[in-house]
Amino acid sequence: EAGVAQSPRYKIIEKRQSVAFWCNPISGHATLYWYQQILGQGPKLLIQFQNNGVVDDSQLPKDRFSAERLKGVDSTLKIQPAKLEDSAVYLCASSLAAASSYEQYFGPGTRLTVT
Amino acid sequence: SQELEQSPQSLIVQEGKNLTINCTSSKTLYGLYWYKQKYGEGLIFLMMLQKGGEEKSHEKITAKLDEKKQQSSLHITASQPSHAGIYLCGADISGNQFYFGTGTSLTVIP
Repeated sequence: EAGVAQSPRYKIIEKRQSVAFWCNPISGHATLYWYQQILGQGPKLLIQFQNNGVVDDSQLPKDRFSAERLKGVDSTLKIQPAKLEDSAVYLCASSLAAASSYEQYFGPGTRLTVT
Repeated sequence: SQELEQSPQSLIVQEGKNLTINCTSSKTLYGLYWYKQKYGEGLIFLMMLQKGGEEKSHEKITAKLDEKKQQSSLHITASQPSHAGIYLCGADISGNQFYFGTGTSLTVIP
C-alpha cells in the first residue's frame, strides 16, 4: 500500500514570502494531521482534519497559517507571509480514524527554510 | 509547558549495550505510541500501548506502560548501529489532544 505522500521535500523562501505544502494521505484514511517540527523538538500538532472538517486547530497560528482538505482526501497547508521562526519540517500524517487507538502514518516531511 | 517529558535528551552507547528511554506525563495517557525518526525523515511507528501494565516487544525493543498510565519506558537490548536515531513518544493526553515528547537522540558506537 502506498504511504503518505508530501511535496515538495525541500523549500527555501525569503521572509514575508508565501509557501504551500501538499499532502496525499493513505487511501481510506479519514483523519489527516499537519505537524510542525522545529529542529531539536518533537512534532507539534498544527491542525487535525476528520474527512473535510477541522477537528482541532487550536495550535495553528491563524494569522499566517491556513489549511484545507476540500474533498476529504488531499490537503494543503499554506503560510502567508512566512517568518524566520517558521523554519521547520512540516509533517503530514493520516490515520483510519481520530480515536487514540489508531496508528498515525507519517509522510517524509517538507523541510522549510526561511531566510 | 511540555505535556510529555522524555529522558534522557540524548544517549551515546557502545554497540551491544542495553539502554532505556523514559516518557512521562503528569496526566493520564490514552494510547501511548513510540516512534523512531531518522534525521530529516518521517516517523516510523514502533509500538502502541493502551492498557496500564501493558508490555510489548518487537525484536530487541520492549516498551511498557505503567499501571497508572502516566509513564512509559522503551528498552533496547544489545543495541546495534541500526538502532540509532531519534525516539519519540506520542500520546493522547486525557482523551483530548495528541502530543509528542521532545525526543531522545540515540547514537550507537560500533
